[in-house]
Amino acid sequence: AQKITQTQPGMFVQEKEAVTLDCTYDTSDQSYGLFWYKQPSSGEMIFLIYQGSYDEQNATEGRYSLNFQKARKSANLVISASQLGDSAMYFCAISLTTDSWGKLQFGAGTQVVVTP
Amino acid sequence: EPEVTQTPSHQVTQMGQEVILRCVPISNHLYFYWYRQILGQKVEFLVSFYNNEISEKSEIFDDQFSVERPDGSNFTLKIRSTKLEDSAMYFCASSDTRDSYQETQYFGPGTRLLVL
Repeated sequence: AQKITQTQPGMFVQEKEAVTLDCTYDTSDQSYGLFWYKQPSSGEMIFLIYQGSYDEQNATEGRYSLNFQKARKSANLVISASQLGDSAMYFCAISLTTDSWGKLQFGAGTQVVVTP
Repeated sequence: EPEVTQTPSHQVTQMGQEVILRCVPISNHLYFYWYRQILGQKVEFLVSFYNNEISEKSEIFDDQFSVERPDGSNFTLKIRSTKLEDSAMYFCASSDTRDSYQETQYFGPGTRLLVL
């Protein structure tokens, strides 16, 4: 069963604007972790931000913030003040307690293109 | 800043040949993973490894695959007899925390494997 759904295959955003990338998940676990990774065209996977299921506050890391709505099972990534270097593929992933040793399950990704 | 490294960055091999992909995880990390990403598709979990043994493996990780930690720093993925469908980007990742769903996995830059 699909655990992570990213419904936006691609998005264009203008430089300096904010962009929200959608991520919904499907689990009955009470304890889980949600992660966002960035994959530039060079191919590496860069960790951006983490949100735990019990965290009451939305996670923030610099220009990245996570809009976590547990009841709706969504964990949207917000990138503020977009830069040209933000152009990349963005993956949402979940780690479940029912999966041993933190196996990450990834969504299909959203391709973001930042335009001048 | 410590990082996961992988060698080679690219590997081209003939179908049926054996390949070994190498990874050096972050030095104080205890949990190691391999993932793969077929071109244009999502990242898929292959195997997790802790305390010198496999913790979990996916259905992709069949008898053609094996992992090893031959010394204190390297972590390898071996594909015994490569098939065309093994062509993918292979990522190594590592993490250090005990709580499975909270651990952040840091990825290496990947090895692009092309099987001809």
